[in-house]
Amino acid sequence: DVKVTQSSRYLVKRTGEKVFLECVQDMDHENMFWYRQDPGLGLRLIYFSYDVKMKEKGDIPEGYSVSREKKERFSLILESASTNQTSMYLCASSVVGAANYGYTFGSGTRLTVV
Amino acid sequence: DQQVKQNSPSLSVQEGRISILNCDYTNSMFDYFLWYKKYPAEGPTFLISISSIKDKNEDGRFTVFLNKSAKHLSLHIVPSQPGDSAVYFCAAPTTDSWGKLQFGAGTQVVVTP
Repeated sequence: DVKVTQSSRYLVKRTGEKVFLECVQDMDHENMFWYRQDPGLGLRLIYFSYDVKMKEKGDIPEGYSVSREKKERFSLILESASTNQTSMYLCASSVVGAANYGYTFGSGTRLTVV
Repeated sequence: DQQVKQNSPSLSVQEGRISILNCDYTNSMFDYFLWYKKYPAEGPTFLISISSIKDKNEDGRFTVFLNKSAKHLSLHIVPSQPGDSAVYFCAAPTTDSWGKLQFGAGTQVVVTP
């Protein structure tokens, strides 16, 4: 069964901390994405990557960075966590040209910044 | 600037009745639309899609209707079941070369016995 695994289900971090959210997929997908889900705003794209070491900004990249050193792993980094980054973070992957865009999502990481 | 809009944050429906979820979009260049379903503590999963060359697509209890002139699509669930209680997101691929999905705000559906 294809899988996208996010390393933590719940995280609590302090303001100003550097936070790493990890995502691993086992489907050999080229594309990987980080979204955040907030009530009333839906899923908003933070960053995506279409190949190893390649990255593109999404709609809300401010305060975030990403790393993709290996095809299967895509990390989201909060350089200095702030309370407005409290959210549900969802990682997804897809293969280029897939029917129905073929997004597979992880279960999400609920991050609380205090 | 949100180009995919779901203006109803929640919907409550009795088991066995029809659920109708609405989605509007602003970009007339969109040519494909998807619906995703999300349970709490799980990632969204693909439910059904429609190409702009069609006005209807059906898959079991789920039917999506597309009205291009109104830039409007709807998802019908008939009959609604308790397991349909979830958040439903409407999505469309961006028209740039990346074709990444952009999502609406979601509609929380609660199916009551």
